[in-house]
Amino acid sequence: GAVVSQHPSWVICKSGTSVKIECRSLDFQATTMFWYRQFPKQSLMLMATSNEGSKATYEQGVEKDKFLINHASLTLSTLTVTSAHPEDSSFYICSARAVEARNEQFFGPGTRLTVL
Amino acid sequence: GQSLEQPSEVTAVEGAIVQINCTYQTSGFYGLSWYQQHDGGAPTFLSYNALDGLEETGRFSSFLSRSDSYGYLLLQELQMKDSASYFCAVKAAGNKLTFGGGTRVLVKP
Repeated sequence: GAVVSQHPSWVICKSGTSVKIECRSLDFQATTMFWYRQFPKQSLMLMATSNEGSKATYEQGVEKDKFLINHASLTLSTLTVTSAHPEDSSFYICSARAVEARNEQFFGPGTRLTVL
Repeated sequence: GQSLEQPSEVTAVEGAIVQINCTYQTSGFYGLSWYQQHDGGAPTFLSYNALDGLEETGRFSSFLSRSDSYGYLLLQELQMKDSASYFCAVKAAGNKLTFGGGTRVLVKP
């Protein structure tokens, strides 16, 4: 099946710093990737849709200047949490759409962000 | 917008059958997906229904009724490793997924 990786798997940072999370599709090309956030014991909330070569589309209530998304190639999308604060601590998960697999989304293993 | 309802928790014993219901309200609908997520892990795809009816994949089956805006996931011959959270998700335009709140399944010996 299609494999999606994320790096880092976990990160601890100080308040006010920026953190970059990478999402890679390892064995397929993904023109579209999605970024989700999940708080403990809650559901996945879609943050934004990342399109290769164009600007990301953000969901209502998600600050685009705080969560910077770059989809520079068909296999890589990055999410940068700028000026992170403790309330940004969460599990961030990306997914990639595989056209050759009936457009099914395959999820990365997630990145646990803790902001002190 | 989209909204999905599913039970928050279900407990059952090994070997039992569990049905997780999901009702949805949506402004656009392409299909209903089901995902399994173990604690600390990523969601893994279980099934997808675009048309009415039952889809069977091993011990897991999924059902959809578009006219009733309703679907369910059926877990048969429960095993301890099936203890996890199960999410239904509506697929809409742009292949966007909206997830339900998740159902935590606890399997007891």
